[in-house]
Order: sequence, then structure tokens, then C-alpha cells
Amino acid sequence: QKEVEQDPGPLSVPEGAIVSLNCTYSNSAFQYFMWYRQYSRKGPELLMYTYSSGNKEDGRFTAQVDKSSKYISLFIRDSQPSDSATYLCAMSTTSGSRLTFGEGTQLTVNP
Amino acid sequence: GAGVSQSPSNKVTEKGKDVELRCDPISGHTALYWYRQSLGQGLEFLIYFQGNSAPDKSGLPSDRFSAERTGGSVSTLTIQRTQQEDSAVYLCASRRGQVLNTEAFFGQGTRLTVV
Repeated sequence: QKEVEQDPGPLSVPEGAIVSLNCTYSNSAFQYFMWYRQYSRKGPELLMYTYSSGNKEDGRFTAQVDKSSKYISLFIRDSQPSDSATYLCAMSTTSGSRLTFGEGTQLTVNP
Repeated sequence: GAGVSQSPSNKVTEKGKDVELRCDPISGHTALYWYRQSLGQGLEFLIYFQGNSAPDKSGLPSDRFSAERTGGSVSTLTIQRTQQEDSAVYLCASRRGQVLNTEAFFGQGTRLTVV
């Protein structure tokens, strides 16, 4: 079993829709939670970062962490075609020697 | 340059040959990671360098894989006697330090194809 599970999709939504992306994990030592966005043929770029449990909002993006359920989410409001990309969740323990990634969810927002 | 630079961007090699992949991290970044990205596998951790500490090599899949970081800057990932299953995108990332709330910046990757 993988430490981090993420539905690879693909996920296709119309422009303006609310998108919900999720990951589950098994390692209770994870304390740092991140979402990366990766456009085709590019490297991943950090989108959101959260420490421990709680919510964080940045513009149209909201990240949620529920450590009791070992479940994290990324919500995208008013989705745009430019949001079409692969979204990867990533996690780290406090030792921080590595980031453990989910498989990534491929999202397409149709105009 | 302002970002993490990787070279070559694409590499096609014959099975059994050795390859070297290069990563130039952001200047001043002491932490450097190598990851491998295969279709349907996500990003697989390979190796982590932090300053002058011994690297975390626990992700290297076999003894055909090795990596060095010279002078705390440029890193080279070497794959000996390449196999078809080594075909993947190899990504390098650097981070300013060991502080975990700093962003890890990724390069665009080297797409390796073993034929």
C-alpha cells in the first residue's frame, strides 16, 4: 500500500465549476502538507502549503487538512481553463528529508 | 539563472549504456532532491542532499543508480547499464535550507528514454 493515495483521474469539469481534489495518507507522522501544480512538460510548482490541521485560503484555492482522518483536500473555485494541469499532493514529516507525493490528478477545465 | 536548471532536457540512450543527468540548483540553496516521475507512478524519491551532511540515498532503486553533489552546488545523477524500465522523467528540486516551510523549486526535468 502506498503511503499517499490520490485518484489519478482524469477529471474534466466545465469552466466556473468548483473542483475538489483529495488525498489520503497512512503515515501519522506527516505534519507538512502541500499541493503542487504541474503543467505538461514542466516541473511541479508549489501551489499551497499547510502545517498540521486546518484550512488555508489563497484566492480561488483552499487547502484543508484533517489529520484525524488522514485526509487532505484542495478546492478550486470558479475554475478556469488555465487551471488545467496535474495536481499533486505532497507530505513531509518534521525531519523533512523527503517529500512523499501522491500520484497526481489530471484536471481539465473546459471553456 | 533564476531557477533550477537541468540538462539535457531529453536523452535517448541504448539499453546497457551509462547516462549522466545534471542539475544546477538555485544559488544558495543547500538542499537538493532527485525524483523520478513515471506514468501512473507519481514522483518517486531517489536521493536528498543537505549541505555537508551524508545524503539520504534510501530511494535509489538499485546500485546502478548513484548521485554526487560537488561543492554543495551542481549535482549529477548517473545511471549505469540502463534498462528500459529506467525510462522516465528525472526531476531535480532545490530548497533554501532545512526549514520545511520553504518552497522546493523543481527544474523542468530530463526525459530519459531507453531503447
